[in-house]
Amino acid sequence: DTGVSQDPRHKITKRGQNVTFRCDPISEHNRLYWYRQTLGQGPEFLTYFQNEAQLEKSRLLSDRFSAERPKGSFSTLEIQRTEQGDSAMYLCASSRTGWNEQFFGPGTRLTVL
Amino acid sequence: AQTVTQSQPEMSVQEAETVTLSCTYDTSENNYYLFWYKQPPSRQMILVIRQEAYKQQNATENRFSVNFQKAAKSFSLKISDSQLGDTAMYFCAFTYSTGNQFYFGTGTSLTVIP
Repeated sequence: DTGVSQDPRHKITKRGQNVTFRCDPISEHNRLYWYRQTLGQGPEFLTYFQNEAQLEKSRLLSDRFSAERPKGSFSTLEIQRTEQGDSAMYLCASSRTGWNEQFFGPGTRLTVL
Repeated sequence: AQTVTQSQPEMSVQEAETVTLSCTYDTSENNYYLFWYKQPPSRQMILVIRQEAYKQQNATENRFSVNFQKAAKSFSLKISDSQLGDTAMYFCAFTYSTGNQFYFGTGTSLTVIP
């Protein structure tokens, strides 16, 4: 069990650019979640996958955001045409069905200039 | 929408003393799970304790225990014998039994004073 990993850990980009983040869950976990966390706030749910199926999407996930989990293993979160308001920590978490206990990754901190 | 409220943005406690962090939530459902997560400065979030709503007995994990009041929709965390390593942000979280979506409070920043 190597834990949930995220890459990159930090990303600085200019407004209008596209960015993509990767999350590798714990290997036997079939559930994967993406969250956004801004300074002084709790994580806000963005989306949830069970295996390769995206089963829940928050209204926070505008059409500039897209997430995939093509083979039910790692997941990517892409933000197109970034805006300064997208600056945040993006957290990934995974769990096993029936456990409802999430294991979090270290996060990717995005700064949009 | 479900909400989780943590009314104490910041708290402090003397080392070795006991502190209680408050959390209330809002739901009309009967089956759900509650959690306390700890996020140390610049480190990743880890689970402290969890409680199933169908269990009347309060969960306990070493120095950490909860006071779960289902009717009042209250879920407080008690930390006994506080240690310097307990300094962190603490988040209360809620999910339904499906586990499809988690809801987090805004957090309580706890500082343990030596």
